[in-house]
Amino acid sequence: EVQLVQSGAEVKKPGESLKISCKGSGYSFTSYWIGWVRQMPGKGLEWMGIIYPGDSDTRYSPSFQGQVTISADKSISTAYLQWSSLKASDTAMYYCARRIAVAGTFWFDPWGQGTLVTVSS
Amino acid sequence: SYELTQPPSVSVSPGQTARITCSGDALPKQYAYWYQQKPGQAPVLVIYKDSERPSGIPERFSGSSSGTTVTLTISGVQAEDEADYYCQSADSSGTYEVFGTGTKVTVL
Repeated sequence: EVQLVQSGAEVKKPGESLKISCKGSGYSFTSYWIGWVRQMPGKGLEWMGIIYPGDSDTRYSPSFQGQVTISADKSISTAYLQWSSLKASDTAMYYCARRIAVAGTFWFDPWGQGTLVTVSS
Repeated sequence: SYELTQPPSVSVSPGQTARITCSGDALPKQYAYWYQQKPGQAPVLVIYKDSERPSGIPERFSGSSSGTTVTLTISGVQAEDEADYYCQSADSSGTYEVFGTGTKVTVL
């Protein structure tokens, strides 16, 4: 069974750093892109960026470029999303998802269970 | 930036048909995908490549495409279909994926 398991909920203060994780299993982790998606409280889904664990090729949405860093460690089948200095506006649920590519079109399946990040002083 | 527009809400009685639209300028050139998100849960893919249904998704879920609009249809709606639904596609160059604004389906 293909699964993505994310790290647990985090409570941080503004200005602190954070790295959350997403561990894949049940498939060849290096052969599929992993995407990260933000969902702010009561709001919709926002595409943040993607990484190809096979060679660490990374792409960011213009809205998130410079705000977060996406990385991966293929030796342990894990992708990461990190912040160097959190803001209250980073409070959200963050999902990772396997990005499927077929003939130039892409979709996400399955999704991780989500990691809730709360930033509050 | 590229946007996909959905109606905020759709209400339907059990057993009736719900139709959720998603509009975007690049949809004639890019496939669309649909996700169901129930409260407190992660999204689940229910339609891919405009009209294909993943294994395990009930036959009452179907998708169609016409010009700049794609439609998710739920035939014979059940109480368990109450959820938020999001379309997803790519910009015209295929560089970025974009999610629609989301539609809350309420089963009366």
